[in-house]
Amino acid sequence: KQEVTQIPAALSVPEGENLVLNCSFTDSAIYNLQWFRQDPGKGLTSLLLIQSSQREQTSGRLNASLDKSSGRSTLYIAASQPGDSATYLCAVKRNSGGYQKVTFGTGTKLQVIP
Amino acid sequence: DTAVSQTPKYLVTQMGNDKSIKCEQNLGHDTMYWYKQDSKKFLKIMFSYNNKELIINETVPNRFSPKSPDKAHLNLHINSLELGDSAVYFCASSRGNTGELFFGEGSRLTVL
Repeated sequence: KQEVTQIPAALSVPEGENLVLNCSFTDSAIYNLQWFRQDPGKGLTSLLLIQSSQREQTSGRLNASLDKSSGRSTLYIAASQPGDSATYLCAVKRNSGGYQKVTFGTGTKLQVIP
Repeated sequence: DTAVSQTPKYLVTQMGNDKSIKCEQNLGHDTMYWYKQDSKKFLKIMFSYNNKELIINETVPNRFSPKSPDKAHLNLHINSLELGDSAVYFCASSRGNTGELFFGEGSRLTVL
């Protein structure tokens, strides 16, 4: 059974700081890993998708890395802005019984203070 | 040009009632999902359909019945609603080759 943990559960930083969010998973036989942000009362917005064969993906100020052997992914946010305040979720997809199953992490609630 | 849309966005109803939530995706994806997000914001898979066929049913009570009339639609019908069914229900779809997930805005169900 795949377990996905995100640390820290909450993070508060001043505007402009670089920060790292962590995602750990127990089963390294993954298909892909996807990072999302969720704003209050809203759906999930996809940020980055890393396939199992990839080590990292970048989009603007965001960089996500994947280390399957250690069961870890990090989301790096450069020069944080108040608009980055949201809950960040990682989701790990793996093959299970002939189909693909997604397990979500517990989330990190980020607050960027102006 | 919304990718994954679900209706209604808010639903308030009494215990024992039956209600439905509809979902449509215009992305051409083959696989669609229903997720439940509880009060602690934890997301858990309920159902997954691939080409209108049920492929995942995660020990959800029989009161929940998904229906997929075609690849672009996956509706969720709930019978005899209970207080514990109060949650936000998210519909999602995924791209076949990359497996990337796309989510709807969610439907907040409140059972009184």
